[in-house]
Amino acid sequence: EAQVTQNPRYLITVTGKKLTVTCSQNMNHEYMSWYRQDPGLGLRQIYYSMNVEVTDKGDVPEGYKVSRKEKRNFPLILESPSPNQTSLYFCASKSVGDRLYTGELFFGEGSRLTVL
Amino acid sequence: DQQVKQNSPSLSVQEGRISILNCDYTNSMFDYFLWYKKYPAEGPTFLISISSIKDKNEDGRFTVFLNKSAKHLSLHIVPSQPGDSAVYFCAASSRNTGKLIFGQGTTLQVKP
Repeated sequence: EAQVTQNPRYLITVTGKKLTVTCSQNMNHEYMSWYRQDPGLGLRQIYYSMNVEVTDKGDVPEGYKVSRKEKRNFPLILESPSPNQTSLYFCASKSVGDRLYTGELFFGEGSRLTVL
Repeated sequence: DQQVKQNSPSLSVQEGRISILNCDYTNSMFDYFLWYKKYPAEGPTFLISISSIKDKNEDGRFTVFLNKSAKHLSLHIVPSQPGDSAVYFCAASSRNTGKLIFGQGTTLQVKP
């Protein structure tokens, strides 16, 4: 089954304690991206990756890091989480080429993070 | 600066009636538009899209209309069903960047 898998699905942590949210896709997609969903703000892009070892900032990258060492994996790293990073996070992927801007994004089920 | 806006946070309709969800955008460079649907505890899933060279795209009960001069698009669901109750996100992208910009979302409730 084609899917994007995120872990953990739920996490409560404390300020300053480093954490990593993993994301893996099995569709051989080149493009992967992280979004956060907040009430009244919709989905905002944090970071994206066009392919292995190619990453770039989205609209709200502050406080986050990513890496793309393998095509299937795109972890999101919070080096020193703060309460304003409490949010619902989604990983997504899609095929690129001539469908970069028309291709359908496939989303994971989301990771709800609470930073106390 | 919200380039894609969904000004109605919520919408409630009766089963069998039409649901109309609206979306406005400000960037004239956007030339491809999509709607995603999201159920609780799940990720968004693609619903329907439209290119700027068209003004209408239909897929079963779902139709998206695009008014480029008004920078406005709408999603029509006819007839609405209780299973359509979800959050609907409008999104836009441009050929230049390939980046997808999402609206705030509209929560649709279809009452039996």
